[in-house]
Amino acid sequence: DSGVTQTPKHLITATGQRVTLRCSPRSGDLSVYWYQQSLDQGLQFLIQYYNGEERAKGNILERFSAQQFPDLHSELNLSSLELGDSALYFCASSVDIKNTEAFFGQGTRLTVV
Amino acid sequence: AQKVTQAQTEISVVEKEDVTLDCVYETRDTTYYLFWYKQPPSGELVFLIRRNSFDEQNEISGRYSWNFQKSTSSFNFTITASQVVDSAVYFCALSEAKGNSGAGSYQLTFGKGTKLSVIP
Repeated sequence: DSGVTQTPKHLITATGQRVTLRCSPRSGDLSVYWYQQSLDQGLQFLIQYYNGEERAKGNILERFSAQQFPDLHSELNLSSLELGDSALYFCASSVDIKNTEAFFGQGTRLTVV
Repeated sequence: AQKVTQAQTEISVVEKEDVTLDCVYETRDTTYYLFWYKQPPSGELVFLIRRNSFDEQNEISGRYSWNFQKSTSSFNFTITASQVVDSAVYFCALSEAKGNSGAGSYQLTFGKGTKLSVIP
């Protein structure tokens, strides 16, 4: 168990809908990262938050957004969902901003039908 | 730009054989971190090891060992006496500073992964 908790584990939704994925980092970790794993793109970095502030953005679509709350948990919001958004979404956390030791949650498998 | 190449897409070995997974990276930074993760069929990403760019010492942890060579930009992973439970996809990843000077931000760039099948 990595200590990073993601909910839900599985999500099935229809095109055009909006979903929210939740991540609770390991106790004491200030940095939260979101990654998307799809068959065609592999594992890709989406966005990073550190202590409530956005730190870096990767290949995140405009339809996607995220935030980190004062209690350090994070949510990834995906809207106007398309079939191609079906993927495994991972959250990772690390104690510092340098991602020197990133631990991943079990992922949320999103299926858009 | 950074890039991680895992040239081996799939490898099959018979149980108890040794196997080496290759990883070659590209970076212009002098400070960076290299990682290996394991993704078993259940899907989670399991952290195996992290090395920083200033530490070229090889590491051994049980049946696992890692060979980091800056001269060839490689960070290879060897499993000795493989077991069926080692069957998984293994990812090599690189992390270097991004963003503005000062408080940079690091994120992981992953290779495409190597699927290892250990046959009993």
